[in-house]
Amino acid sequence: KAGVTQTPRYLIKTRGQQVTLSCSPISGHRSVSWYQQTPGQGLQFLFEYFSETQRNKGNFPGRFSGRQFSNSRSEMNVSTLELGDSALYLCASSLPGKDGYTFGSGTRLTVV
Amino acid sequence: DQQVKQNSPSLSVQEGRISILNCDYTNSMFDYFLWYKKYPAEGPTFLISISSIKDKNEDGRFTVFLNKSAKHLSLHIVPSQPGDSAVYFCAASGSRDDKIIFGKGTRLHILP
Repeated sequence: KAGVTQTPRYLIKTRGQQVTLSCSPISGHRSVSWYQQTPGQGLQFLFEYFSETQRNKGNFPGRFSGRQFSNSRSEMNVSTLELGDSALYLCASSLPGKDGYTFGSGTRLTVV
Repeated sequence: DQQVKQNSPSLSVQEGRISILNCDYTNSMFDYFLWYKKYPAEGPTFLISISSIKDKNEDGRFTVFLNKSAKHLSLHIVPSQPGDSAVYFCAASGSRDDKIIFGKGTRLHILP
């Protein structure tokens, strides 16, 4: 079966712009979580969506937002981009009670 | 506030020997723990998990040990193989459906 698909794989944006990242979960998975990975900081939790509702939220500013659609696909939006937003953004999907998440390969965002 | 701590950024082990990766946590509400492995340009992949009712879980060459009183867990890989060279993330959650908090990772180098 298809894994978690994230698009695009790479993105270069300018400071002040906004960006939207997309994540298609594994078929049947209703939970989608987003993480930011930067060197030295590991994976920082952004938010989790389940059945189109935000179930958990991390400690990121309001510039970071997300949503989930009825088909479980999720998007993440970052507005007013800053240089520090340059990172690998990872999406993961899971079934309830299933061991852990299945991650996508991520979107590498570079802000210049 | 780092709730999951991996204090060794890197570790080098001879091929065939045992690799021991350590992890400490601060939140006593965590009761489900996981290890993920990550290769460059790929998303993390689930390796092994353990719930707080156990103190050991084994899967092939991988064994996770949990010491709840010390808030410490470790991953043992024996024997270590070249393909084990990767970044290993320790993670914890309040339950199987709660958000998963990751450590900063330990880069494991298996030496020939």
